[in-house]
Amino acid sequence: QQQVKQSPQSLIVQKGGISIINCAYENTAFDYFPWYQQFPGKGPALLIAIRPDVSEKKEGRFTISFNKSAKQFSLHIMDSQPGDSATYFCAASTSFSGTYKYIFGTGTRLKVLA
Amino acid sequence: DAGVIQSPRHEVTEMGQEVTLRCKPISGHDYLFWYRQTMMRGLELLIYFNNNVPIDDSGMPEDRFSAKMPNASFSTLKIQPSEPRDSAVYFCASSLGAIYNSPLHFGNGTRLTVT
Repeated sequence: QQQVKQSPQSLIVQKGGISIINCAYENTAFDYFPWYQQFPGKGPALLIAIRPDVSEKKEGRFTISFNKSAKQFSLHIMDSQPGDSATYFCAASTSFSGTYKYIFGTGTRLKVLA
Repeated sequence: DAGVIQSPRHEVTEMGQEVTLRCKPISGHDYLFWYRQTMMRGLELLIYFNNNVPIDDSGMPEDRFSAKMPNASFSTLKIQPSEPRDSAVYFCASSLGAIYNSPLHFGNGTRLTVT
């Protein structure tokens, strides 16, 4: 119940295309859903995050769509660029009952072709 | 701010040796996390501290692993004895207060290779 399932494992997109990465969770106590971006040799860095009281959040070319009833959320990268080539991790966290859980998906390796 | 600082960046050691990984969190952050990243298992939470106190170590794989945070600006993760299956990238991350207010800030990791 603590898992966050992420798909696809890898993704190749043409420059200018839309990249879509999906995640699903089971624990309804999760109440914060961030996406992290990781470049080779670097640690993950926060890209965008959403709380379950909204269904969509957009920041520039990056959008999170959230479906609370289905317990799913996704990252959309519009007008994908070669510089977006990185590994993307979804995550889910909760501070319910004084414990602090921060669980990551298994990652999606995105390659944007020039 | 220099961000989360981890050392060393790379560590190569032989099976059975003791390995110590070090982390300096961002000043003022009160949560510190240790993660392990592998291709097979992704990012796994090993342990986290709040105000230097270990809160949840349920992710520590076995007794060979131990972590300490003697003060607010320093933490160590020790593996003794090390085994080849411990080979991974180990990340330290810190955050300030409640999760909505501050994301996890990761260091650049320590790549550990145990031969």
